[in-house]
Amino acid sequence: LAKTTQPISMDSYEGQEVNITCSHNNIATNDYITWYQQFPSQGPRFIIQGYKTKVTNEVASLFIPADRKSSTLSLPRVSLSDTAVYYCLVGGDLTGGGNKLTFGTGTQLKVEL
Amino acid sequence: ETGVTQTPRHLVMGMTNKKSLKCEQHLGHNAMYWYKQSAKKPLELMFVYSLEERVENNSVPSRFSPECPNSSHLFLHLHTLQPEDSALYLCASSQDRGGGAGYGYTFGSGTRLTVV
Repeated sequence: LAKTTQPISMDSYEGQEVNITCSHNNIATNDYITWYQQFPSQGPRFIIQGYKTKVTNEVASLFIPADRKSSTLSLPRVSLSDTAVYYCLVGGDLTGGGNKLTFGTGTQLKVEL
Repeated sequence: ETGVTQTPRHLVMGMTNKKSLKCEQHLGHNAMYWYKQSAKKPLELMFVYSLEERVENNSVPSRFSPECPNSSHLFLHLHTLQPEDSALYLCASSQDRGGGAGYGYTFGSGTRLTVV
């Protein structure tokens, strides 16, 4: 299993950019890096996924250095509704030789006015 | 609508009851999962089905019994549960492409189970 390490919690204010970094030293060649967002009493929601370099979509950017041993989720101009737990997962396909996706403790992001 | 539907949303059951949780995915995925999330704890993977075959069972007590009759449906049969089994039970699906291709999970909204 690919172990991930992220900060337990982060605080921010509306309009700021938030960067959450995740360490995954034993990432396998076939593993992808995926970030999820979870609100209380709901299932996690897919945010973004990448393999290397930078990925950007309409809600976030994902920065992955060349050694792939860490990744950073960047949320531009957060709002109160971005208050949630953010999970970093590392894994690949069940039949592709990658690690199985395992959830860690996640990062509780709290956004205030 | 997330594409993964779980029923019921809430369930209260006694320790001697038998109940089932249902999950249905409308995404054409070929892998389905059961996760357990207890208060203040990370999600715990319970069961994995790929192409309707169970590929993983993470030392889950036998009072939890999964069933995957086809690639779109997943059940979790519950019997003689304990109060510590109270948790949010989440179903997820994914498209397992093989060969290391990237993929992501789509989760349902979960069933909040309370064992009394």
